[in-house]
Amino acid sequence: NAGVTQTPKFRILKIGQSMTLQCAQDMNHNYMYWYRQDPGMGLKLIYYSVGAGITDKGEVPNGYNVSRSTTEDFPLRLELAAPSQTSVYFCASSWTGTGYSNEQFFGPGTRLTVL
Amino acid sequence: AQKITQTQPGMFVQEKEAVTLDCTYDTSDPSYGLFWYKQPSSGEMIFLIYQGSYDQQNATEGRYSLNFQKARKSANLVISASQLGDSAMYFCAIFSGYSTLTFGKGTMLLVSP
Repeated sequence: NAGVTQTPKFRILKIGQSMTLQCAQDMNHNYMYWYRQDPGMGLKLIYYSVGAGITDKGEVPNGYNVSRSTTEDFPLRLELAAPSQTSVYFCASSWTGTGYSNEQFFGPGTRLTVL
Repeated sequence: AQKITQTQPGMFVQEKEAVTLDCTYDTSDPSYGLFWYKQPSSGEMIFLIYQGSYDQQNATEGRYSLNFQKARKSANLVISASQLGDSAMYFCAIFSGYSTLTFGKGTMLLVSP
């Protein structure tokens, strides 16, 4: 049981480039999330998904896109990378519903630098 | 909207002593959950403890306990018998309504020998 996996672990992008951050979970969780963490700050929600085919914006969605075609995968797409997107990106998943604690399990993070 | 406030940017404690990390929250949802996560220097997010808004008793998990005062909207984390490995960032977070977590800015805890 690998939990939540993220690739790559590190990436340097040039301004204007695009990339996809991969996230997968093998716990059959219904909810998945993308957060970013800027230096010295807490996590801010970018996008989340309540199930395959359903996504919604979080607090800071601008400059990002997501899709969820399967229960397991939730990739995050950065279009036209900007220096303001330099951050650590965390993917998380949870089994959310009545009677559950809704604990979110986090991946190890992707450290992205845009130069 | 929901909000978490952690007013202590940093805390120092000696090994084997207890320490309390403060967290206050704001939400209009009557049903919510409060979480504490630990983030060591390696960067991963580690779940510590959970408290549901309707739980009658304060949550405990080993050396971690949550001092939940609903009327004051506070959910302070108490770490007993601190260890050097407890040095890390600690985040309080609230979960309500729309199934998303809102995090505070965190408290850096340093445990000295």
